[in-house]
Amino acid sequence: ETGVTQSPTHLIKTRGQQVTLRCSSQSGHNTVSWYQQALGQGPQFIFQYYREEENGRGNFPPRFSGLQFPNYSSELNVNALELDDSALYLCASSRDSTGHEQYFGPGTRLTVT
Amino acid sequence: AQSVTQPDIHITVSEGASLELRCNYSYGATPYLFWYVQSPGQGLQLLLKYFSGDTLVQGIKGFEAEFKRSQSSFNLRKPSVHWSDAAEYFCAVGAQGGSYIPTFGRGTSLIVHP
Repeated sequence: ETGVTQSPTHLIKTRGQQVTLRCSSQSGHNTVSWYQQALGQGPQFIFQYYREEENGRGNFPPRFSGLQFPNYSSELNVNALELDDSALYLCASSRDSTGHEQYFGPGTRLTVT
Repeated sequence: AQSVTQPDIHITVSEGASLELRCNYSYGATPYLFWYVQSPGQGLQLLLKYFSGDTLVQGIKGFEAEFKRSQSSFNLRKPSVHWSDAAEYFCAVGAQGGSYIPTFGRGTSLIVHP
């Protein structure tokens, strides 16, 4: 059974640019959640996708958007990058939308300069 | 709104010593409670969770946690720490019913001395 994978591992972007992060869910999981983890902080919930529909959103502006594909892989898109967007972005998949047992990927480290 | 407080930013213990990491939560009803561990360069791994029933919960890697409603606490314990337990530990609280949107604490960094 393949775990949750994320790509890329690291990337560096310039303020104002756009970025797309990718996540492959664990086999058999239909729900994916995205989190932002700033340095020295706990993860903060961005949004969740269940069967290709957004199913909950945290306190993040609309320039954070996402997609979930029929194979349940997912993308996180961030437009108009700001310096404060520098963080570790974590993806977690689960078997259902309750998310009671989430499996996390290793994360993508985004640096905005 | 739910919230989690992990009052200790860093904890240092000697290998073989016992461990207790503190977690206090704020939530109006019985919450879902979780402890996760994050090793450097890794994602979060679920150690244990409490939904209902027995307030003493056993997890992986020899960890346990006790839910104390009267104290709004869910402290993580381990009787004998191994060097490989050095990591960041996160407590999280989720609302019961419907879609689970967890709130994480800021984490406690565990340092293990040989």
